[in-house]
Amino acid sequence: AQKVTQAQTEISVVEKEDVTLDCVYETRDTTYYLFWYKQPPSGELVFLIRRNSFDEQNEISGRYSWNFQKSTSSFNFTITASQVVDSAVYFCALSEDSNYQLIWGAGTKLIIKP
Amino acid sequence: EAGVTQFPSHSVIEKGQTVTLRCDPISGHDNLYWYRRVMGKEIKFLLHFVKESKQDESGMPNNRFLAERTGGTYSTLKVQPAELEDSGVYFCASSQDSGRGGTDTQYFGPGTRLTVL
Repeated sequence: AQKVTQAQTEISVVEKEDVTLDCVYETRDTTYYLFWYKQPPSGELVFLIRRNSFDEQNEISGRYSWNFQKSTSSFNFTITASQVVDSAVYFCALSEDSNYQLIWGAGTKLIIKP
Repeated sequence: EAGVTQFPSHSVIEKGQTVTLRCDPISGHDNLYWYRRVMGKEIKFLLHFVKESKQDESGMPNNRFLAERTGGTYSTLKVQPAELEDSGVYFCASSQDSGRGGTDTQYFGPGTRLTVL
């Protein structure tokens, strides 16, 4: 069965610290897709990244980076030099090639203190 | 380009009443999805339309929920009669259709917060 686990319920750091949000997934499919979404206090779900199972290359976008490791079934998200505006709930999600549904983790609430 | 829009943003109703949520997808997106997050739980899939057809409604909790997408444009999700456990945030998303399952990125609306008293 498919499952996404975000074990960190809440993380609180001081501005400018680096922070890593963990995501572990389970799937039987060999082709699947992993996503991160951000939910700021305003409530909308903002797409951040999609990763295909056949591409394990890490990705960097500004202060954001993602580490995809199939060997540990993890897709972790790191924010470098965090800012107050990064405060939000971050969701990791999984979809499979055979299925349009997104399977969601419980989310990690990130609090960046000034 | 306009994003996914949802109306209303917030709805408060009494148990037993009917509520209809509306979603307007991104123009040109054939796929439309409904999800919901009830208090303290994960976001859960409800159903998926391809144009006007229901492709997958395996997540619909019971027959009090009815979703439609007439003409393949906007969609409505009706809850009749509403129960206390229906309270939560209802998200709508849309995506283009590559014809390959989960490969399409889903873009979400701001959600409708439903409170049933």
